Amino acid sequence: EAGVAQSPRYKIIEKRQSVAFWCNPISGHATLYWYQQILGQGPKLLIQFQNNGVVDDSQLPKDRFSAERLKGVDSTLKIQPAKLEDSAVYLCASSLTGGMNTEAFFGQGTRLTVV
Amino acid sequence: QKEVEQNSGPLSVPEGAIASLNCTYSDRVSQSFFWYRQYSGKSPELIMSIYSNGDKEDGRFTAQLNKASQYVSLLIRDSQPSDSATYLCAVNQAPGGYQKVTFGTGTKLQVIP
Repeated sequence: EAGVAQSPRYKIIEKRQSVAFWCNPISGHATLYWYQQILGQGPKLLIQFQNNGVVDDSQLPKDRFSAERLKGVDSTLKIQPAKLEDSAVYLCASSLTGGMNTEAFFGQGTRLTVV
Repeated sequence: QKEVEQNSGPLSVPEGAIASLNCTYSDRVSQSFFWYRQYSGKSPELIMSIYSNGDKEDGRFTAQLNKASQYVSLLIRDSQPSDSATYLCAVNQAPGGYQKVTFGTGTKLQVIP
């Protein structure tokens, strides 16, 4: 079974530039998550999709971050404009459903450095 | 108070010893609990999940849950150097029927050969 695919693996941009990350979840997984993990911290949920609908984006900085999941499969996360504090690893995860006991599987992550 | 609290460590144990990792959470309605292992520079990997009070064993790993005291722990028996990693506790609060998982900051475990 193929895992969660993310690209790119690494990205370096200057502040105020824009950047986009792509995620392809495990086939058949209805729920997709984007997490931000700053060095030394645990992952923080940015947005959660159930199929192509948003179920939780309470911690997404909506003035600069946006995400979409077209056709309930692939997803993109965009940052525009980037700030220095956005430097982090952006993790995509998916689970079969969004129900109580479902387990999430993570992709390799995209390490973003904003200079 | 943080929603999910872990001691950041590092927790150092000698090879072959039992490593005990602890986690407390603030939301009493939390439904399910997960332990993820994260090697440096890698993504989190699920190693244990537990949903009801008591112990759950899987190989060298035992998860313990006490909902009354709002803590969950992970025991690693016969610790190996390959167990050296950061262990993330994750708590599912399941508001409105969908999964809302909050992670702790992780405990760094070092197993000394």
